[in-house]
Amino acid sequence: ETGVTQTPRHLVMGMTNKKSLKCEQHLGHNAMYWYKQSAKKPLELMFVYSLEERVENNSVPSRFSPECPNSSHLFLHLHTLQPEDSALYLCASSQGTGDYGYTFGSGTRLTVV
Amino acid sequence: GENVEQHPSTLSVQEGDSAVIKCTYSDSASNYFPWYKQELGKGPQLIIDIRSNVGEKKDQRIAVTLNKTAKHFSLHITETQPEDSAVYFCAASQTGANNLFFGTGTRLTVIP
Repeated sequence: ETGVTQTPRHLVMGMTNKKSLKCEQHLGHNAMYWYKQSAKKPLELMFVYSLEERVENNSVPSRFSPECPNSSHLFLHLHTLQPEDSALYLCASSQGTGDYGYTFGSGTRLTVV
Repeated sequence: GENVEQHPSTLSVQEGDSAVIKCTYSDSASNYFPWYKQELGKGPQLIIDIRSNVGEKKDQRIAVTLNKTAKHFSLHITETQPEDSAVYFCAASQTGANNLFFGTGTRLTVIP
């Protein structure tokens, strides 16, 4: 399988639940990203990992916790979320940071009830 | 930080006509400008990009132009087809940065 794969595609969770989003890339890229996509807003960068080290944490609440165990996998652990966290969460990868194009996954549609 | 503005937010064209989407950026240090297409239920897909040492780039029916002095860049789609219907995002970045700054998107509808 090639490209960036995200699971699950859809997730409904209560505010007291704990869940994790998974992202896997098979492109040999060394940078991975989490973005939040909400209606009528620009894509919001959440986290950047370069060579498995977190290099950007864009003022994201602590109820979102990323994990990058290796250069092919990225997780986003979720706990005690709020309804306003409902959005499409996109994972992306690139050959490097800066002036490189991103390859995005199809996203996880998260609904917090 | 960088601020990218994108216009229009929605655009409808007849099949076969051309479509133009425009973006402006604020940081003169930005030197990389990609365009993404997002179809329903999918993530954004890179369709074309341009770097600041080039003024125009073409790939079949799509082209991007860059005016560094005015700090704006545009996506041009010629001979539009129904499958071009999607949301298009522009973005800006620079060498060594950890982020792409995205515009708010343009929903393009091609009417058969």
